[in-house]
Amino acid sequence: QVQLVESGGGVVQPGRSLRLSCAASGFTFSNYAMHWVRQAPGKGLEWVAVISYDGSNKYYADSVKGRLTISRDNSKNTLYLQMNSLTTEDTAVYYCARGPPMGFGELLYSFDYWGQGTLVTVSS
Amino acid sequence: QSVLTQPPSVSGAPGQRVTISCTGSSSNIGARYDVHWYQQLPGTAPKLLIYGNSNRPSWVPDRFSGSKSGTSATLAITGLQAEDEANYYCQSYDSSLSGVLFGGGTELTVL
Repeated sequence: QVQLVESGGGVVQPGRSLRLSCAASGFTFSNYAMHWVRQAPGKGLEWVAVISYDGSNKYYADSVKGRLTISRDNSKNTLYLQMNSLTTEDTAVYYCARGPPMGFGELLYSFDYWGQGTLVTVSS
Repeated sequence: QSVLTQPPSVSGAPGQRVTISCTGSSSNIGARYDVHWYQQLPGTAPKLLIYGNSNRPSWVPDRFSGSKSGTSATLAITGLQAEDEANYYCQSYDSSLSGVLFGGGTELTVL
């Protein structure tokens, strides 16, 4: 069965960096686009970024451009989110989610499987 | 502020039918981009409920249905059950933002 497990969250000071990971199993990871979505405490869902199946295409929400970087290692079945220059506005649960298979527009389709999320708290 | 507008809350009694609207614009739903719906039970990750406007994944009961018309989409839930109490989110693509959008979410209360 499809499984996505996020890790790497924690408490970090403003201006510092953090890297999140999402370990995938139960499907051919290298065939699918992958997303990061976040949810601030008590708030709704906010899309963060997507990466194509082979890593050649990456798209970001305006709110994170230039600070957050999505990447993947298909040999390790792992998705990453490098988070730099963190602010209190980045405090949220971060979910990884599976996008469409190769050949389909990364931004147009639904997210059919989600991880359980990892909490990032930015606080001094 | 989400570009996809949902009512903050809806409610219904067990067995009733409720609908949740998702109103967009000419750069997202009105531009014929698909709408997808998610259910988020308290304290859990979101789960796909409807994809491609009206399609249900195999794990979703047929009490849930979706439709789209013009610049709006609607999620309908019939035979309301206590376990349907959750937050529901719509999602689409916006060509002006060149990105994925989520609605602000709707909290469903089963009376």
